[in-house]
Amino acid sequence: AQSVTQLGSHVSVSEGALVLLRCNYSSSVPPYLFWYVQYPNQGLQLLLKYTTGATLVKGINGFEAEFKKSETSFHLTKPSAHMSDAAEYFCAVSVGPSSGGYNKLIFGAGTRLAVHP
Amino acid sequence: DAGVTQSPTHLIKTRGQHVTLRCSPISGHKSVSWYQQVLGQGPQFIFQYYEKEERGRGNFPDRFSARQFPNYSSELNVNALLLGDSALYLCASGRDNEQFFGPGTRLTVL
Repeated sequence: AQSVTQLGSHVSVSEGALVLLRCNYSSSVPPYLFWYVQYPNQGLQLLLKYTTGATLVKGINGFEAEFKKSETSFHLTKPSAHMSDAAEYFCAVSVGPSSGGYNKLIFGAGTRLAVHP
Repeated sequence: DAGVTQSPTHLIKTRGQHVTLRCSPISGHKSVSWYQQVLGQGPQFIFQYYEKEERGRGNFPDRFSARQFPNYSSELNVNALLLGDSALYLCASGRDNEQFFGPGTRLTVL
């Protein structure tokens, strides 16, 4: 069965510091992987996704993630944190056949990122 | 273009009541999924509908049901509400292995 583990429920960084949010997955088939961000009292916004091809994926707001099959990881990074990056971040894996639009997302428990001056 | 819309934004119910949540997908999207997000946790998959047919169901009791209409909008129904049903209910419409989420409906069961 597919699963997602996010290491660290809370991460705190200084403004301008590197952001690293960790995600490991378990999947019996090649996965599609996603990072979403959730601001307070809002829905989820897609940051980036990996389906096939290049393993280093660039997303919005300066975030990027690298798919490492050997490590079953998809960690999210940003070189320099901004105060506006403070939010909840969710890693997710897509399961099921992609044809016909069936692609259930399995989410990790989330990591709350705090950015302090 | 309008994103995924959900109504209502907030809802308060008492135990034993039923509730209907509504979702309108992005224009052109034929797939709608529902997720439950309990406070402090990641979203949990409830249902997915595609072309008005149920394509998948998560580990939720039969008190939860849904349907999709010819215009691809969807309703999620929950009967016999329990305190544990209090959560943010998210709707997502999908295309090309990507799901776009609405703002959610915050359900509080007292």
